[in-house]
Amino acid sequence: GAVVSQHPSRVICKSGTSVKIECRSLDFQATTMFWYRQFPKQSLMLMATSNEGSKATYEQGVEKDKFLINHASLTLSTLTVTSAHPEDSSFYICSAPIPRGGGETQYFGPGTRLLVL
Amino acid sequence: TQLLEQSPQFLSIQEGENLTVYCNSSSVFSSLQWYRQEPGEGPVLLVTVVTGGEVKKLKRLTFQFGDARKDSSLHITAAQPGDTGLYLCAGERVPRGKLQFGAGTQVVVTP
Repeated sequence: GAVVSQHPSRVICKSGTSVKIECRSLDFQATTMFWYRQFPKQSLMLMATSNEGSKATYEQGVEKDKFLINHASLTLSTLTVTSAHPEDSSFYICSAPIPRGGGETQYFGPGTRLLVL
Repeated sequence: TQLLEQSPQFLSIQEGENLTVYCNSSSVFSSLQWYRQEPGEGPVLLVTVVTGGEVKKLKRLTFQFGDARKDSSLHITAAQPGDTGLYLCAGERVPRGKLQFGAGTQVVVTP
């Protein structure tokens, strides 16, 4: 079964509004989660690392004031796209690591399709 | 900067044929993962390779990690329509957990 969930699965919003996307780890705690963005027919691009109890770390070129990340608890990270514009329309996916066999395995959520009109 | 080069970008084959997808980089990764992604869904992990020269088999799928831990390949034997999907390789960066994805290979297997 799924170990990482996302909500909502898809959202349509008007340009200029803000949208919050939730990422939850199911039955395990995640001090770190990762947020990715995937444009049509392209691969996943890492946006930021969400850290429980501290600030998120953003990849180069990702605006931290536009993509607000809050790791409120050990099972929840939220990504808020502020003042969304049509170019923000994309597939947003989160992942969380689970210890496996001496290392870690990244499990991905089902993704959130955002369409900004 | 795309650190991982995947080839080919697209592959269309008949059921029963074999196929190989390549993932190459100039960088060394601590580990490399292969994922399959269906449209509108998140990637699903197929395998993680860690040791240079490692070979892992998952039913009809065979994964190899290069000796220098810079490249990898995925070979599917006797492909089936259910193998259709986007195959992604991803190298683990530092700090641990950050993944650098390749551009993906879209595989289509027709009956």
